Amino acid sequence: QPVLTQPPSSSASPGESARLTCTLSSDINVAHYRMYWYQHKPGSPPRYLLYFYSDSDNGRGSGVPSRFSGSKDTSANTGVLLISGLQSEDEADYYCMIWPSNVVFGGGTKLTVL
Amino acid sequence: DVQLLESGGGLVQPGGSLRLSCAASGFTFSKYAMTWVRQAPGKGLEWVSAISGGGESTYYAESVMGRFTISRDDFNNVVYLQMNSLRAEDTAIYYCAKVDLRVFGVAPFDYWGQGGLVTVSS
Repeated sequence: QPVLTQPPSSSASPGESARLTCTLSSDINVAHYRMYWYQHKPGSPPRYLLYFYSDSDNGRGSGVPSRFSGSKDTSANTGVLLISGLQSEDEADYYCMIWPSNVVFGGGTKLTVL
Repeated sequence: DVQLLESGGGLVQPGGSLRLSCAASGFTFSKYAMTWVRQAPGKGLEWVSAISGGGESTYYAESVMGRFTISRDDFNNVVYLQMNSLRAEDTAIYYCAKVDLRVFGVAPFDYWGQGGLVTVSS
């Protein structure tokens, strides 16, 4: 079973950018998969943010602002969620997800907006 | 607007059974796969099960295979999760979600319900 590793926590100040990473285990190659990202706030259901496969194959969920974007660092076998112009409302847990044979979630990163 | 409303959660003893329901509205239910995802206390998201639009195919995580059964009623727009032989480690909030594809394939879970709490304890 592939493993997705996310840092447990991250922090940044309002107006700054946050770069959240999701590193795949060595048995799978990030270049081959669409990576999905979800935002989860306490007391609310998860919210679909976006997916990223390549510069020409990516997309955001309904109503998701353009300051949320995805990318890949194939040399590090890692997917990246970039949140620019941080706002206090962005404070949440963020999960990556891929679909090699069945669905796999990362452990989540708690983003604190200082 | 898409709405998903779970019901049927509660407290059950180890070894017991429970059935979760998820009533859907705001989209053509039969055209989309549906899935269940859970979150145990203090833990991250874990995919549990899925069913294709029309119900031809079902899918399960290894942790629930043989104990949980997913089904759907496309006439009444409801997806179910029958949970048998429940264990303490099944304690979690269970979310139903719409998959943005008829078959259960590489697609986002684009809408989620509010979740239902299942507690397995004696």
